[in-house]
Amino acid sequence: EAGVAQSPRYKIIEKRQSVAFWCNPISGHATLYWYQQILGQGPKLLIQFQNNGVVDDSQLPKDRFSAERLKGVDSTLKIQPAKLEDSAVYLCASSITGDGETQYFGPGTRLLVL
Amino acid sequence: KQEVTQIPAALSVPEGENLVLNCSFTDSAIYNLQWFRQDPGKGLTSLLLIQSSQREQTSGRLNASLDKSSGRSTLYIAASQPGDSATYLCAVTGANSKLTFGKGITLSVRP
Repeated sequence: EAGVAQSPRYKIIEKRQSVAFWCNPISGHATLYWYQQILGQGPKLLIQFQNNGVVDDSQLPKDRFSAERLKGVDSTLKIQPAKLEDSAVYLCASSITGDGETQYFGPGTRLLVL
Repeated sequence: KQEVTQIPAALSVPEGENLVLNCSFTDSAIYNLQWFRQDPGKGLTSLLLIQSSQREQTSGRLNASLDKSSGRSTLYIAASQPGDSATYLCAVTGANSKLTFGKGITLSVRP
């Protein structure tokens, strides 16, 4: 069974530029999560999708971050414009139903904003 | 608001030692607790998941315990090996199915 796929793996941009990350969850998983992990911290949930609907985006900085999950499969997370403090690893995870069962994580995208 | 604490932040032990990693959480109304492993530059791998009604789970050399009333969990690693070197994160699932993570413990096992 293929795992959660993410691309790109690394990205370096200058502040005020825009960037987009892509995630393809495990086939059949209804729930998709985007997390932000700053160096030395645990992952923080940014947004949770159930199929193509948003369940929780309370910690998403909506003035600069946006995410979509068209057709309820893969998802894109965008940052525009990026700030220095956005430097982090962006992790995508998926689970079958979202009812507290195990989440499967992708390898992450490491973003450096200069 | 749920808070998860893992102390110490880093630990270095000689190969072969049995060790215990600690995790504490402030709100005992949890659905389950998970221990994850994170290797440098990689994503998270779930090691053990303990439901709120359970006391412990075992997988190979790993044993995780849960004391929900006191808000504590431990991950026991038997006969540690250099390949166990990684960051270990504890996370609790609240009633809203949301995962709250600790900052992790970076373990180094010296040959």
